[in-house]
Amino acid sequence: AQKVTQAQTEISVVEKEDVTLDCVYETRDTTYYLFWYKQPPSGELVFLIRRNSFDEQNEISGRYSWNFQKSTSSFNFTITASQVVDSAVYFCALSEASQGGSEKLVFGKGTKLTVNP
Amino acid sequence: DTEVTQTPKHLVMGMTNKKSLKCEQHMGHRAMYWYKQKAKKPPELMFVYSYEKLSINESVPSRFSPECPNSSLLNLHLHALQPEDSALYLCASSSRTGSANVLTFGAGSRLTVL
Repeated sequence: AQKVTQAQTEISVVEKEDVTLDCVYETRDTTYYLFWYKQPPSGELVFLIRRNSFDEQNEISGRYSWNFQKSTSSFNFTITASQVVDSAVYFCALSEASQGGSEKLVFGKGTKLTVNP
Repeated sequence: DTEVTQTPKHLVMGMTNKKSLKCEQHMGHRAMYWYKQKAKKPPELMFVYSYEKLSINESVPSRFSPECPNSSLLNLHLHALQPEDSALYLCASSSRTGSANVLTFGAGSRLTVL
């Protein structure tokens, strides 16, 4: 069964610090997709990134970067020079391709990031 | 502004009431989802509609009744709920179902059952 572990329940940093959110996943599929979503206090989940299992290239988008390592089944997310607006709960999620139309997004428990001014 | 609109934002209901949550999207998406999220927990999938047909029901109690009247609308009818059903109910949509699809979420309807 697929599983996503976000071991950090809460992280608190001071503005401009770099912070890394960890995500470790388990799957028996060779084809799968990994996602990060951000949930600010307003409630809606905001899509940040999708990565498929065949693409291990790291990605950078502004202050955000993602490190995908299949060897350690990890998909970590780094925010550089954090800002107060980055305060939110961040979810890592996994979807397997083998479910024959019943694909489900499995979320980790989330990491609550608080960036203090 | 979110492209998935949910109403109402807040709802308080008694255990004998009947109410409905509504979700609307105009992105041409053909898959729509209901998730339930308890405080400090991740979202849990309840239902998936694909091309207006129910494709996944995650063994949700019958006091929750989904309806997809057309490709843009998704309702969740509530009846005889229990206090433990109090949660944030999130609607989402995607272009279609499938493991690669990105979900666009609404801001949620926060339900309190007294």
